[in-house]
Amino acid sequence: DIVMTQSPDSLAVSLGERATINCKSSQSVLYSSNNKNFLAWYQQKPGQPPKLLIYWASTRASGVPDRFSGSGSGTDFTLTISNLQADDVAVYHCQEYFSSVWTFGQGTKVEIK
Amino acid sequence: QVQLVQSGAEVKKPGASVKISCRASGYTFTAYPIQWVRQAPGQRLEWMGWISAGNGDTAYSQKLQDRLTITRDTAASTAYMELSSLRSEDTALYYCARDPSGNLKWFDPWGQGTLVTVSS
Repeated sequence: DIVMTQSPDSLAVSLGERATINCKSSQSVLYSSNNKNFLAWYQQKPGQPPKLLIYWASTRASGVPDRFSGSGSGTDFTLTISNLQADDVAVYHCQEYFSSVWTFGQGTKVEIK
Repeated sequence: QVQLVQSGAEVKKPGASVKISCRASGYTFTAYPIQWVRQAPGQRLEWMGWISAGNGDTAYSQKLQDRLTITRDTAASTAYMELSSLRSEDTALYYCARDPSGNLKWFDPWGQGTLVTVSS
């Protein structure tokens, strides 16, 4: 199975500042035939189910503010939250859908400093 | 709007089975697969299996395939996840989610989650 490793496990960021979360896969999730990275990001607020933020590594899901952006390719990916808001306090998960055994990162907790 | 509503919390004894429902609304149920994911306390999200709501095809994680059964009732727009021979390690929040790509990619939206507690 592909192993997804996020860093850091948690971070505290001041309101209005930038939060950066990294996700590394144990093998490439770039599909050569369409040149797309099979990676998604989810936001999970306390007591709520995960919510899709980004798919294809950088495509924002419907309704997701443009403060959220995804980047990276192959095995290394980044979720950036610009201008952090109080409402962004959550755990963020990366997920690969390259294999037929969907695997998730361990999650990164974002708090307000 | 697209919504998945799951059945309520369950408390089971070791060795028992649990069956959770996931009722879909706001879209054509048979057009998209339903995925099942669980989250044990302090653990990462774990994919369990999926079902094609259209033709009933299924696929399960190797870890759970001997104990897991996913079914659906198209008339009720509902998918079901049954896990047997429960053990304490199965205590978790269980989620269903739609695959909006229709082609086994990302998950959106997710149900609200069903807490299953396995305890003697």
